[in-house]
Amino acid sequence: AQTVTQSQPEMSVQEAETVTLSCTYDTSESDYYLFWYKQPPSRQMILVIRQEAYKQQNATENRFSVNFQKAAKSFSLKISDSQLGDAAMYFCAYRSGNTGNQFYFGTGTSLTVIP
Amino acid sequence: SAVISQKPSRDICQRGTSLTIQCQVDSQVTMMFWYRQQPGQSLTLIATANQGSEATYESGFVIDKFPISRPNLTFSTLTVSNMSPEDSSIYLCSVEVWENTEAFFGQGTRLTVV
Repeated sequence: AQTVTQSQPEMSVQEAETVTLSCTYDTSESDYYLFWYKQPPSRQMILVIRQEAYKQQNATENRFSVNFQKAAKSFSLKISDSQLGDAAMYFCAYRSGNTGNQFYFGTGTSLTVIP
Repeated sequence: SAVISQKPSRDICQRGTSLTIQCQVDSQVTMMFWYRQQPGQSLTLIATANQGSEATYESGFVIDKFPISRPNLTFSTLTVSNMSPEDSSIYLCSVEVWENTEAFFGQGTRLTVV
């Protein structure tokens, strides 16, 4: 089974600053997708950003961007201009390229934003 | 996209009883997933529910403890049976939308067993 590792249980960032959350994964597949999900205290899992493995270009969504290193199996999330609303648990997730396959989640990183 | 309504949002139950969690989706979906998230931990897949067939359970989860129904393409239920305090968790419903790669989640059910 694929494994997803988030080595940072907790991170903090000053408001308006930049923070990077780390994620590594293990797979023998060539076709897959990677995701960052955000889970605020409301418990609602919200998709932050998605990366297709076949795309070399790093995905970006407004203040959120990833550094996807396929050979190193690394998928970090950069949050720029951090806002108080960014405070949440962030989960890195892996999904095979075949429809219907399950998601594998990392253990999560709890992000605190300091005013 | 998909909007998922999950009920109840929270409950406190006596040990030995059962709780059924409902998951309603605003569109037809092929795959529905049930996850458990124990306090401070990541999501663990319980089972995958396809309409018209038996749910597929992951290692460590059995149908007698977590029976699942999937009567149509927009609805599913998960029952947590004969509950013990160890079942206290957040339970999340998730769907995969056809022609989309991402998963959409319900708001979760926080279950406390006393």
